[in-house]
Amino acid sequence: EVQLVESGGGLVQPGGSLRLSCAPSGFTFSNYAMSWVRQAPGKGLEWVSSISGSGGSKYYADSVKGRFTISRDNSKSTLYLQMNSLRAGDTATYYCAKDRGGSLTNVDHWGQGTLVTVSS
Amino acid sequence: QSVLTQSSSASASLGSSVKVTCTLSSGHSSYIIAWHQQQPGKAPRYLMNLEGGGSFQRGSGVPDRFSGSSSGADRFLTISNLQSEDEADYYCETWDSDTQVFGGGTKLTVL
Repeated sequence: EVQLVESGGGLVQPGGSLRLSCAPSGFTFSNYAMSWVRQAPGKGLEWVSSISGSGGSKYYADSVKGRFTISRDNSKSTLYLQMNSLRAGDTATYYCAKDRGGSLTNVDHWGQGTLVTVSS
Repeated sequence: QSVLTQSSSASASLGSSVKVTCTLSSGHSSYIIAWHQQQPGKAPRYLMNLEGGGSFQRGSGVPDRFSGSSSGADRFLTISNLQSEDEADYYCETWDSDTQVFGGGTKLTVL
Protein backbone atom coordinates (compact mmCIF):
# COMPACT_ATOMS: atom_id res chain seq x y z
CA GLU A 1 0.00 0.00 0.00
CA VAL A 2 1.34 3.41 -0.95
CA GLN A 3 1.73 5.82 1.97
CA LEU A 4 3.08 9.36 2.00
CA VAL A 5 3.83 11.03 5.33
CA GLU A 6 4.64 14.73 5.44
CA SER A 7 6.42 16.52 8.26
CA GLY A 8 8.02 19.88 8.98
CA GLY A 9 5.05 22.22 8.92
CA GLY A 10 4.44 24.83 11.57
CA LEU A 11 4.25 28.52 12.36
CA VAL A 12 6.90 30.77 10.84
CA GLN A 13 7.32 34.53 10.62
CA PRO A 14 7.17 36.36 7.29
CA GLY A 15 10.58 36.21 5.64
CA GLY A 16 11.44 33.01 7.46
CA SER A 17 12.28 29.55 6.19
CA LEU A 18 10.92 26.06 6.63
CA ARG A 19 11.79 22.65 5.20
CA LEU A 20 9.09 20.10 4.56
CA SER A 21 9.83 16.40 4.25
CA CYS A 22 7.84 13.53 2.82
CA ALA A 23 8.53 9.89 3.66
CA PRO A 24 7.02 7.51 1.12
CA SER A 25 6.50 3.78 1.36
CA GLY A 26 4.89 1.00 -0.63
CA PHE A 27 6.57 1.70 -4.00
CA THR A 28 10.01 2.08 -5.58
CA PHE A 29 10.59 5.76 -4.85
CA SER A 30 13.22 6.44 -7.50
CA ASN A 31 10.92 5.26 -10.31
CA TYR A 32 8.37 8.01 -9.84
CA ALA A 33 8.12 11.77 -10.08
CA MET A 34 6.88 13.51 -6.98
CA SER A 35 5.02 16.77 -6.43
CA TRP A 36 4.09 19.26 -3.75
CA VAL A 37 0.57 20.70 -3.93
CA ARG A 38 -0.84 23.23 -1.49
CA GLN A 39 -4.26 24.38 -0.41
CA ALA A 40 -4.87 27.71 1.29
CA PRO A 41 -7.70 27.74 3.84
CA GLY A 42 -11.03 27.55 2.04
CA LYS A 43 -9.41 27.54 -1.40
CA GLY A 44 -8.73 25.04 -4.15
CA LEU A 45 -5.67 22.95 -4.91
CA GLU A 46 -2.57 24.77 -6.20
CA TRP A 47 0.43 22.99 -7.67
CA VAL A 48 3.73 24.13 -6.14
CA SER A 49 6.56 22.03 -7.56
CA SER A 50 7.46 18.67 -9.10
CA ILE A 51 10.63 16.63 -9.50
CA SER A 52 11.39 13.72 -11.81
CA GLY A 53 12.22 10.28 -10.48
CA SER A 54 15.95 10.78 -11.00
CA GLY A 55 15.84 14.28 -9.56
CA GLY A 56 17.33 15.68 -12.75
CA SER A 57 14.27 17.73 -13.75
CA LYS A 58 12.53 20.19 -11.48
CA TYR A 59 9.48 22.34 -12.11
CA TYR A 60 8.05 25.25 -10.14
CA ALA A 61 4.92 27.39 -10.10
CA ASP A 62 5.64 31.04 -10.85
CA SER A 63 4.37 31.96 -7.38
CA VAL A 64 7.25 30.13 -5.67
CA LYS A 65 10.04 30.22 -8.27
CA GLY A 66 13.24 31.55 -6.74
CA ARG A 67 12.00 31.07 -3.17
CA PHE A 68 11.23 27.32 -2.94
CA THR A 69 13.50 24.41 -3.83
CA ILE A 70 12.35 20.86 -4.36
CA SER A 71 14.78 17.99 -3.90
CA ARG A 72 14.85 14.29 -3.25
CA ASP A 73 17.24 11.76 -1.76
CA ASN A 74 16.54 8.46 -3.47
CA SER A 75 19.00 6.66 -1.17
CA LYS A 76 16.89 7.74 1.81
CA SER A 77 13.55 7.64 -0.03
CA THR A 78 12.70 11.16 1.06
CA LEU A 79 11.25 14.17 -0.71
CA TYR A 80 11.92 17.71 0.46
CA LEU A 81 10.62 21.23 -0.07
CA GLN A 82 12.86 24.03 1.15
CA MET A 83 10.80 27.19 1.54
CA ASN A 84 12.57 30.53 1.95
CA SER A 85 11.35 34.14 2.08
CA LEU A 86 7.96 32.95 3.22
CA ARG A 87 4.96 35.24 2.85
CA ALA A 88 1.50 35.31 4.37
CA GLY A 89 0.16 34.08 1.02
CA ASP A 90 2.14 30.85 1.44
CA THR A 91 -0.07 29.86 4.37
CA ALA A 92 -1.63 26.55 3.36
CA THR A 93 -1.75 22.84 3.90
CA TYR A 94 1.05 21.30 1.85
CA TYR A 95 0.47 17.88 0.35
CA CYS A 96 3.11 15.49 -0.86
CA ALA A 97 1.92 13.63 -3.94
CA LYS A 98 3.20 10.68 -5.95
CA ASP A 99 2.94 11.00 -9.70
CA ARG A 100 1.77 8.14 -11.93
CA GLY A 101 5.05 7.96 -13.89
CA GLY A 102 8.64 9.13 -14.02
CA SER A 103 7.95 12.67 -15.12
CA LEU A 104 5.10 14.98 -16.17
CA THR A 105 2.26 12.63 -15.30
CA ASN A 106 -0.70 13.17 -13.03
CA VAL A 107 -0.89 12.53 -9.31
CA ASP A 108 -2.12 9.11 -8.26
CA HIS A 109 -1.53 9.16 -4.48
CA TRP A 110 -1.72 11.89 -1.84
CA GLY A 111 -0.31 12.36 1.63
CA GLN A 112 -2.34 13.67 4.55
CA GLY A 113 -0.77 17.11 4.42
CA THR A 114 1.17 19.38 6.75
CA LEU A 115 0.02 22.86 7.71
CA VAL A 116 2.29 25.85 7.18
CA THR A 117 1.25 29.13 8.77
CA VAL A 118 3.15 32.29 7.95
CA SER A 119 2.32 34.99 10.46
CA SER A 120 3.95 37.44 12.82
CA GLN B 1 -7.32 31.66 -19.45
CA SER B 2 -6.82 28.52 -17.41
CA VAL B 3 -6.17 25.25 -19.19
CA LEU B 4 -8.90 23.58 -17.11
CA THR B 5 -12.36 25.00 -16.36
CA GLN B 6 -14.91 23.50 -13.98
CA SER B 7 -18.31 24.71 -12.90
CA SER B 8 -18.19 25.73 -9.26
CA SER B 9 -21.07 23.61 -8.02
CA ALA B 10 -23.38 20.72 -8.80
CA SER B 11 -26.13 18.89 -6.96
CA ALA B 12 -28.06 15.68 -7.30
CA SER B 13 -30.30 13.47 -5.20
CA LEU B 14 -29.25 10.48 -3.13
CA GLY B 15 -29.29 7.35 -5.30
CA SER B 16 -29.29 9.27 -8.60
CA SER B 17 -26.43 9.97 -11.03
CA VAL B 18 -24.48 13.14 -11.65
CA LYS B 19 -21.99 14.20 -14.31
CA VAL B 20 -19.22 16.66 -13.39
CA THR B 21 -17.49 18.44 -16.27
CA CYS B 22 -13.94 19.65 -16.80
CA THR B 23 -13.26 21.57 -20.01
CA LEU B 24 -9.85 21.90 -21.60
CA SER B 25 -8.98 25.19 -23.25
CA SER B 26 -8.49 25.58 -26.99
CA GLY B 27 -5.56 23.63 -28.35
CA HIS B 28 -5.49 21.22 -25.42
CA SER B 29 -8.42 18.94 -26.25
CA SER B 30 -6.24 15.82 -26.54
CA TYR B 31 -4.82 16.07 -23.02
CA ILE B 32 -5.11 13.31 -20.47
CA ILE B 33 -6.55 14.50 -17.17
CA ALA B 34 -6.99 13.05 -13.70
CA TRP B 35 -9.95 13.39 -11.35
CA HIS B 36 -9.52 13.80 -7.61
CA GLN B 37 -12.05 13.84 -4.79
CA GLN B 38 -11.69 15.83 -1.58
CA GLN B 39 -14.21 15.12 1.15
CA PRO B 40 -14.67 17.85 3.80
CA GLY B 41 -11.70 18.10 6.13
CA LYS B 42 -9.74 15.36 4.35
CA ALA B 43 -6.81 15.11 1.98
CA PRO B 44 -7.54 14.70 -1.72
CA ARG B 45 -7.98 11.20 -3.12
CA TYR B 46 -7.11 10.13 -6.65
CA LEU B 47 -10.10 8.73 -8.55
CA MET B 48 -8.97 8.09 -12.11
CA ASN B 49 -7.10 9.26 -15.12
CA LEU B 50 -9.08 9.90 -18.29
CA GLU B 51 -7.89 10.07 -21.89
CA GLY B 52 -9.29 12.12 -24.73
CA GLY B 53 -10.75 9.01 -26.37
CA GLY B 54 -12.75 8.30 -23.23
CA SER B 55 -10.80 5.40 -21.80
CA PHE B 56 -10.18 5.70 -18.09
CA GLN B 57 -8.40 3.86 -15.32
CA ARG B 58 -9.67 4.01 -11.75
CA GLY B 59 -7.33 4.22 -8.81
CA SER B 60 -6.98 1.41 -6.35
CA GLY B 61 -10.11 0.92 -4.26
CA VAL B 62 -12.24 3.42 -6.19
CA PRO B 63 -15.80 2.04 -6.52
CA ASP B 64 -17.09 1.30 -10.02
CA ARG B 65 -19.87 3.84 -9.35
CA PHE B 66 -17.24 6.34 -10.53
CA SER B 67 -16.64 6.41 -14.28
CA GLY B 68 -15.15 8.72 -16.87
CA SER B 69 -15.93 9.75 -20.44
CA SER B 70 -14.83 12.38 -22.94
CA SER B 71 -16.33 14.46 -25.73
CA GLY B 72 -14.01 16.83 -27.59
CA ALA B 73 -12.44 19.14 -25.02
CA ASP B 74 -14.79 18.01 -22.25
CA ARG B 75 -13.85 15.42 -19.66
CA PHE B 76 -16.64 13.99 -17.55
CA LEU B 77 -16.76 12.31 -14.18
CA THR B 78 -20.01 10.39 -13.69
CA ILE B 79 -21.02 9.18 -10.25
CA SER B 80 -23.86 6.66 -10.20
CA ASN B 81 -26.05 5.66 -7.26
CA LEU B 82 -25.00 8.74 -5.31
CA GLN B 83 -24.15 8.19 -1.67
CA SER B 84 -23.94 10.76 1.11
CA GLU B 85 -20.17 10.29 1.28
CA ASP B 86 -19.88 11.46 -2.34
CA GLU B 87 -20.59 14.99 -1.15
CA ALA B 88 -17.17 16.52 -1.76
CA ASP B 89 -15.09 18.80 -3.94
CA TYR B 90 -13.95 17.31 -7.24
CA TYR B 91 -10.84 18.54 -9.05
CA CYS B 92 -9.47 17.81 -12.48
CA GLU B 93 -5.73 17.95 -13.13
CA THR B 94 -3.36 17.89 -16.08
CA TRP B 95 0.10 18.97 -17.25
CA ASP B 96 0.75 21.79 -19.68
CA SER B 97 4.06 23.39 -20.68
CA ASP B 98 6.00 21.96 -17.72
CA THR B 99 3.29 23.15 -15.34
CA GLN B 100 0.88 21.00 -13.39
CA VAL B 101 -2.59 22.51 -13.46
CA PHE B 102 -5.66 21.98 -11.31
CA GLY B 103 -9.17 23.06 -12.17
CA GLY B 104 -10.92 25.32 -9.70
CA GLY B 105 -12.98 22.46 -8.29
CA THR B 106 -16.65 21.53 -8.34
CA LYS B 107 -18.51 21.32 -5.05
CA LEU B 108 -20.99 18.45 -5.23
CA THR B 109 -23.99 18.53 -2.93
CA VAL B 110 -25.99 15.35 -2.39
CA LEU B 111 -29.63 16.26 -1.73
